[in-house]
This record gives sequence, structure tokens and C-alpha cells, in this order.
Amino acid sequence: GESVGLHLPTLSVQEGDNSIINCAYSNSASDYFIWYKQESGKGPQFIIDIRSNMDKRQGQRVTVLLNKTVKHLSLQIAATQPGDSAVYFCAENSGNDYKLSFGAGTTVTVRA
Amino acid sequence: DAGVIQSPRHEVTEMGQEVTLRCKPISGHNSLFWYRQTMMRGLELLIYFNNNVPIDDSGMPEDRFSAKMPNASFSTLKIQPSEPRDSAVYFCASSLAEGNTIYFGEGSWLTVV
Repeated sequence: GESVGLHLPTLSVQEGDNSIINCAYSNSASDYFIWYKQESGKGPQFIIDIRSNMDKRQGQRVTVLLNKTVKHLSLQIAATQPGDSAVYFCAENSGNDYKLSFGAGTTVTVRA
Repeated sequence: DAGVIQSPRHEVTEMGQEVTLRCKPISGHNSLFWYRQTMMRGLELLIYFNNNVPIDDSGMPEDRFSAKMPNASFSTLKIQPSEPRDSAVYFCASSLAEGNTIYFGEGSWLTVV
């Protein structure tokens, strides 16, 4: 069946380096994608989104890239900081309703 | 701006007891979602409402679970009777119909012993 999944469950990165978190999706009808950050003990927090008519979108220290050809989504975090340590989820919406399908999540740990 | 507000934040209850979780969505949002998060299953959509009407409850695990949305600013998720396997974090979330971005509350951490 259709699913959203993450390539790697964990990522360890040195403070100040750039982080890249990857996500694969299988629903070719998906037209809206969101990255969420979940810190320990908190709810998922919206980071950035992108629609299928775009292939790149930038925010503050974050960039989301969308490759529809290979159904791949990535989140790049520039100059990773200790506060970036969290679980990151990608989510997709096929546009037919308001439901989001979430991936399993990637745990990012920032080393000082 | 106030986000999605959930209560209680933490609850410990005995098996067989009734549990009621409460949610106040972001003002102006007309879609509301209840999610459950566990280590084994990740984030699962239980039910979602649009304009206070339940649209999809296919994720509700069984008849012990029920959800209501009597008005645009309040929703409840009830578990009766509760079982230890219901222990999880329950998130409420809301969105604007045309925006699609879903905003989550801080969750209700439920432990059933």
C-alpha cells in the first residue's frame, strides 16, 4: 500500500555542521509535504512545507527539497545547533482530504 | 497566539476506568484531528472532524473509543473502559480547511495501569 517512510532512523551531527534528513514517499498523488520537529515531551511542531509544484523552499536555516521523479523529500538544516536535537517527521497529503500520513521519524542528535 | 490546548497533560488511571481527554483547537480552524503516538506504531490518526462533523473515524481502534465535537472550540476523546494497551500520548491538532498545515497540541500523556 501507499506509505511514507524515512531512510534513516537516527542522525548524529556535529554542532555547526549542516544536517540532511531524508524521506521517501510512495504515493504519486501526494501534492503537499510537511516537515515537523518533535522535541522530547512536546507535540510535533511545524517547520516548513512544500507543494508539489515546487522543488525547493527555504526558511530560516532550513531548506526543503522535493524530487518528484524519485519521490524523495529532504530537510536541510544549516549550522545545526543543540536546540535542533529532536525527532523529525515528514508528512504527506494527497490532496483528497485533510489527512496527513506520517513517516516513522528520524532522531537527530547534535554533538557539542 | 494560543495554539491547540489539551487537557489533562498527564493522566494515570486504573484499568477499567473512563478517560476523557479534552481539546480546544486554534480559533478559526475548522478541521480537528485526534492522533495517538506510541513507540511501536508512531503517529496514528484516530479521527478527524471538519466543521464539527466527524469525517473519518476509521482509525478509532474499537468501540471503547469515542470522540465528539459539540462546537467549533471544543472536542473530547473518551476511552471507556480503559485498558493498559491504551497507554500512549494522545495529540489533538487543528487546521484551516484550505491551508492543510496541521498544528498540534502538546499532547495528553495517558498511562493505564
